[in-house]
Amino acid sequence: AQSVSQHNHHVILSEAASLELGCNYSYGGTVNLFWYVQYPGQHLQLLLKYFSGDPLVKGIKGFEAEFIKSKFSFNLRKPSVQWSDTAEYFCAAVSGGSYIPTFGRGTSLIVHP
Amino acid sequence: NAGVTQTPKFQVLKTGQSMTLQCAQDMNHNSMYWYRQDPGMGLRLIYYSASEGTTDKGEVPNGYNVSRLNKREFSLRLESAAPSQTSVYFCATIPDGSYEQYFGPGTRLTVT
Repeated sequence: AQSVSQHNHHVILSEAASLELGCNYSYGGTVNLFWYVQYPGQHLQLLLKYFSGDPLVKGIKGFEAEFIKSKFSFNLRKPSVQWSDTAEYFCAAVSGGSYIPTFGRGTSLIVHP
Repeated sequence: NAGVTQTPKFQVLKTGQSMTLQCAQDMNHNSMYWYRQDPGMGLRLIYYSASEGTTDKGEVPNGYNVSRLNKREFSLRLESAAPSQTSVYFCATIPDGSYEQYFGPGTRLTVT
């Protein structure tokens, strides 16, 4: 069965620090990858996605993620975080032809001003 | 467009009571999903529906039933609520031909 692992469960940073959140998936075939963000008290919304093509994907609010097929990874990065980036971040994968996403357990990010 | 809507936003139940969580979407998507979100557990799929009239179990279906009577609406029913069902419930959809999900605002359920 497909699984998604997020290595960092809680991350605390100061504003302007760089961010990298790890995500690994287990499925070996065609896979579609996502990062979702959940701001406090809100629902999940799409941050960025990878379907095919350029493995470096840019999303909203200055976030980007790199798909490395050989490492089964899709890490999320941001060069300089802001207090408003405080949220929970979820990595998700959907294998090609399926419509059943698998989510990681989430990473709680707290950014201190 | 309202996107995905859920009612109610909050609910408190006593053990053994029943209730139905409602989800509706106005995006004409075929696929709809119910998740529960618990601290440290991420999102776990309860049930999903690939199209009107079809439903399938997800990872944690026990204690729940669903109904997809039309394309717009996908309801989740707790027949006899238990404290273990205290959670935040999210409904989501996926557009045909895509894989990204659109989420509703959630229902925070507490069972005492």
